[in-house]
Amino acid sequence: KQEVTQIPAALSVPEGENLVLNCSFTDSAIYNLQWFRQDPGKGLTSLLLIQSSQREQTSGRLNASLDKSSGRSTLYIAASQPGDSATYLCAEGGSYIPTFGRGTSLIVHP
Amino acid sequence: DAGITQSPRHKVTETGTPVTLRCHQTENHRYMYWYRQDPGHGLRLIHYSYGVKDTDKGEVSDGYSVSRSKTEDFLLTLESATSSQTSVYFCAIRTGYDGANVLTFGAGSRLTVL
Repeated sequence: KQEVTQIPAALSVPEGENLVLNCSFTDSAIYNLQWFRQDPGKGLTSLLLIQSSQREQTSGRLNASLDKSSGRSTLYIAASQPGDSATYLCAEGGSYIPTFGRGTSLIVHP
Repeated sequence: DAGITQSPRHKVTETGTPVTLRCHQTENHRYMYWYRQDPGHGLRLIHYSYGVKDTDKGEVSDGYSVSRSKTEDFLLTLESATSSQTSVYFCAIRTGYDGANVLTFGAGSRLTVL
């Protein structure tokens, strides 16, 4: 059974820092890896999807990488801003049932 | 973008009453999911559907039932609501082509059981 872990559970950084959020999975036979953002009291917004055959995806200041051999995906946020404050979740797609991590709560303070 | 709406968005009810949450999609995606999200537990799968009248249980299905009589609608029913079912409920659909399992979420339904 796939298990997905996100460490740390919470992170607080000053504005402008480049930061890395981690997502680990136990079964390297993944379908894809999807990163989400969730603002307080809101739903989940998809940020990036990395297919199993891909190594990374980029969108603006965000870059997600995938290393199946080490069972790890990272979400890199460049030049963080207070507006990036949110909870970030990763999910391994599975054949039809995704497995979610519990998320990393990020606070970027001015 | 896949259109997905949940209703109601907020509901307060009393213990023992039945509650039905609706998830509606504007396209014809096969897979639909119901999750609940609680502090300390993250997202937990309640039920999912892989077609009209085809549903299966997730990890926390006790006390919940679902129905899917049309492709576009996936209903979650709490037959007799309990305080432990106070939660935020999210519906999701799987979009994308085979080989990708792209999840798109609804805005959520906040349920309070008094």
